[in-house]
Amino acid sequence: DTAVSQTPKYLVTQMGNDKSIKCEQNLGHDTMYWYKQDSKKFLKIMFSYNNKELIINETVPNRFSPKSPDKAHLNLHINSLELGDSAVYFCASSHRGWAGELFFGEGSRLTVL
Amino acid sequence: DQQVKQNSPSLSVQEGRISILNCDYTNSMFDYFLWYKKYPAEGPTFLISISSIKDKNEDGRFTVFLNKSAKHLSLHIVPSQPGDSAVYFCAASPSTQGGSEKLVFGKGTKLTVNP
Repeated sequence: DTAVSQTPKYLVTQMGNDKSIKCEQNLGHDTMYWYKQDSKKFLKIMFSYNNKELIINETVPNRFSPKSPDKAHLNLHINSLELGDSAVYFCASSHRGWAGELFFGEGSRLTVL
Repeated sequence: DQQVKQNSPSLSVQEGRISILNCDYTNSMFDYFLWYKKYPAEGPTFLISISSIKDKNEDGRFTVFLNKSAKHLSLHIVPSQPGDSAVYFCAASPSTQGGSEKLVFGKGTKLTVNP
């Protein structure tokens, strides 16, 4: 049983398109995250979200938006894709208030042509 | 502005020897530190952590050392095994509480353990 699963694992699309990446966790965690690993290999947080609070990294363009239908899901929507959005996107989850162990998904590699 | 630096992009060691991975940080507010391991095509997985009230934490073959005055931590793997070959990320947080949105990662060091 995969604890944090995200789909699709690979996504190739054209500039200007809108795409979504889905994430689901079955760990019972109350907080979920989206991280971006760019070509320089840094893992940078984009969003953290629980049912009460969305915290956005101020460097994230507003073309990116998280959508959470319920506690176990946090999807990432990206509008008007740009070349610089090409990266690996990781979903993660943890218990709220614990700045420690994150459980990551396998990652979704997005390539924008 | 890299608050967490892993200056060695790669490290190669022989099986059975010690692997030492280093990490430096610049933010004196960090007081909780973690190491994650990442295999290709997988997400990072938590390995070991240390709070600033300690200078050493050990878990089996893995030991993390923290030198607060130097703002430096290191991960020792003894003995190294081929299965340890992975990318190791150092991460730091200003608190054990308050949410992982404050967790800052380094760029990672790719460890290769040769049989």
